[in-house]
Amino acid sequence: QVQLVQSGAEVKKPGASVKVSCKASGYTFTGYYMHWVRQAPGQGLEWMGRINPNSGGTNYAQKFQGRVTMTRDTSISTAYMELSRLRSDDTAVYYCARFDSSGWYQYFDYWGQGTLVTVSS
Amino acid sequence: SSELTQDPAVSVALGQTVRITCQGDSLRSYYASWYQQKPGQAPVLVIYGKNNRPSGIPDRFSGSSSGNTASLTITGAQAEDEADYYCNSRDSSGNPGVFGGGTKLTVL
Repeated sequence: QVQLVQSGAEVKKPGASVKVSCKASGYTFTGYYMHWVRQAPGQGLEWMGRINPNSGGTNYAQKFQGRVTMTRDTSISTAYMELSRLRSDDTAVYYCARFDSSGWYQYFDYWGQGTLVTVSS
Repeated sequence: SSELTQDPAVSVALGQTVRITCQGDSLRSYYASWYQQKPGQAPVLVIYGKNNRPSGIPDRFSGSSSGNTASLTITGAQAEDEADYYCNSRDSSGNPGVFGGGTKLTVL
């Protein structure tokens, strides 16, 4: 069965960086784009960007351009999301989500369990 | 516009039917997908495409679309359906980068 298992909670100081991992299993890792979505406390879902695990190519939401880096290690079927220059409003749960698309259809069919990142001095 | 608009909160009596809507220009060109999120849990896909349910999603969940509006309908709402519901679609760059603000469903 498909599983996305993320790394554990992190506490960081403002200005620091955080790197969250997402280990995939149960499917061909390079066959599906991996996306990252975050959710601030009590708020909605916010798309951050995506990585093509096959090529390593990325697309980032404009809001995070210059601060986010998405990478992958195909040898261990793991995707990473690194966010730098952290601010207090980056405090959120960060999710990885597998993306599937077929013609007119597109959707996130599997999600990681989420990683809470707390930014506090 | 790349925004998707949802009503913040909706309520339904147990066993009745409720429709949750999502409006946005991108929905004229792309189907929405819908996600259910319960407190402290990751989102779960409930509807995608024209009206498709992933395996394990009860058939009381259905989807439809007309013009710039996508709808998620729950026919015979159950207590366990109480959750936040989010729609998603593509943005102007073609990425699935737009989520609605979410609708909190209360089952009375």
